[in-house]
Amino acid sequence: DAKTTQPPSMDCAEGRAANLPCNHSTISGNEYVYWYRQIHSQGPQYIIHGLKNNETNEMASLIITEDRKSSTLILPHATLRDTAVYYCIVRVADSNYQLIWGAGTKLIIKP
Amino acid sequence: GAGVSQSPSNKVTEKGKDVELRCDPISGHTALYWYRQSLGQGLEFLIYFQGNSAPDKSGLPSDRFSAERTGGSVSTLTIQRTQQEDSAVYLCASSFGSGTQYFGPGTRLLVL
Repeated sequence: DAKTTQPPSMDCAEGRAANLPCNHSTISGNEYVYWYRQIHSQGPQYIIHGLKNNETNEMASLIITEDRKSSTLILPHATLRDTAVYYCIVRVADSNYQLIWGAGTKLIIKP
Repeated sequence: GAGVSQSPSNKVTEKGKDVELRCDPISGHTALYWYRQSLGQGLEFLIYFQGNSAPDKSGLPSDRFSAERTGGSVSTLTIQRTQQEDSAVYLCASSFGSGTQYFGPGTRLLVL
């Protein structure tokens, strides 16, 4: 099962773009990259996911490198409410439902 | 619409007691998952239900843990003879098929 590596913490100024990196060098061809975030004392919140192509929705953009060994989650205009732990997850290859969670990145948005 | 709900939101119990945690998934979702999150850690998979198929119990840490899903909807996670190391946040998620999982707010369990 592919594992992910994320920096333990990052800061970003309010109003700027927050770019959160994730390495998943052992990802398989049929594994998706998912991003969730967890605001303190709440359940995880789905953000976005992708396989090969870059994806964008109302919350964020996901940029996946051509070799799929890494990706970046972009929050285009970070607000204080975006302060949370962000998890990059790959889906288990041969059991298409289980999510394997790492420690995530603690993103702190500063005014 | 309504999201995943869990009850109770907090539970304090004494070592050796049994506890039951409840999850109400999003209406129409066929799959239901239980995870456990210890302080400062990522989520640990416990069990998965999909429709009428036999559940995947591969993540349950011991035979003190069990779960059932009645009528393909509500699920109950039961921990028997609780231990202090069972203290954690227990999270439930649901999805339609094997699609995106949506999480509830969790139940914070403290075993004294």
